[in-house]
Amino acid sequence: QVQLVQSGAEVKKPGSSVTVSCKASGGTVSSYAISWVRQAPGQGLEWMGGIIPMFDTTHYAQNFGGRVTITADESTSTAYMELSSLRSEDTAMYYCARGFCSGTKCYRDTFDIWGQGTMVTVSS
Amino acid sequence: QSVLTQPPSVSAAPGQKVTISCSGSTSNIGNNYVSWYQQLPGTAPKLLIYENDKRPSGIPDRFSGSKSGTSATLGITGLQTGDEADYYCGTWDSGLSAGVFGGGTKLTVL
Repeated sequence: QVQLVQSGAEVKKPGSSVTVSCKASGGTVSSYAISWVRQAPGQGLEWMGGIIPMFDTTHYAQNFGGRVTITADESTSTAYMELSSLRSEDTAMYYCARGFCSGTKCYRDTFDIWGQGTMVTVSS
Repeated sequence: QSVLTQPPSVSAAPGQKVTISCSGSTSNIGNNYVSWYQQLPGTAPKLLIYENDKRPSGIPDRFSGSKSGTSATLGITGLQTGDEADYYCGTWDSGLSAGVFGGGTKLTVL
């Protein structure tokens, strides 16, 4: 069974950048869409963006103003999410999530396997 | 402010049934599939329903989904204390070209 294993917690200064990794253990990322979803403390889920490595296509949520960059390294089955110009409001748990496939049909907006989450704290 | 609207909380007694609504627009729910997730405290979300009303392998038939127009509904029957969690709807928004979620609904099993 594929697992998504994320990198560890980060503490960052305002204005800096953070990169979170997401490695597919026991499988590959290339055939699936990988999205990043964040959750601020006590708040709901927020989709940040996604990538389909096989087609090298990405989509990003507009409300991040171009601060998010999502990439994937198929050779290591690892996806990355970089968030720049960090501010205190970016303090959140960040999840990677794999797009669900049923038979030959795959979805970029439905997620069946999630990483364990990476807590990013932005504080001066 | 979430693109999809859910009630903040619902409650019901053990063994009873509860429904959770998710309201959107033609650019999201109206023209795309809806999925539902359960998030237990301190854990990552878990997929309960995909393509409006289908259950992934391993999800009991106590959980059901439906969609009509620009709204969707999650139903849970035979409530158990273990069902206490936050529930989220999600879909794609064609106007935004982005995934969107509801604000989440906290289920309390009294």
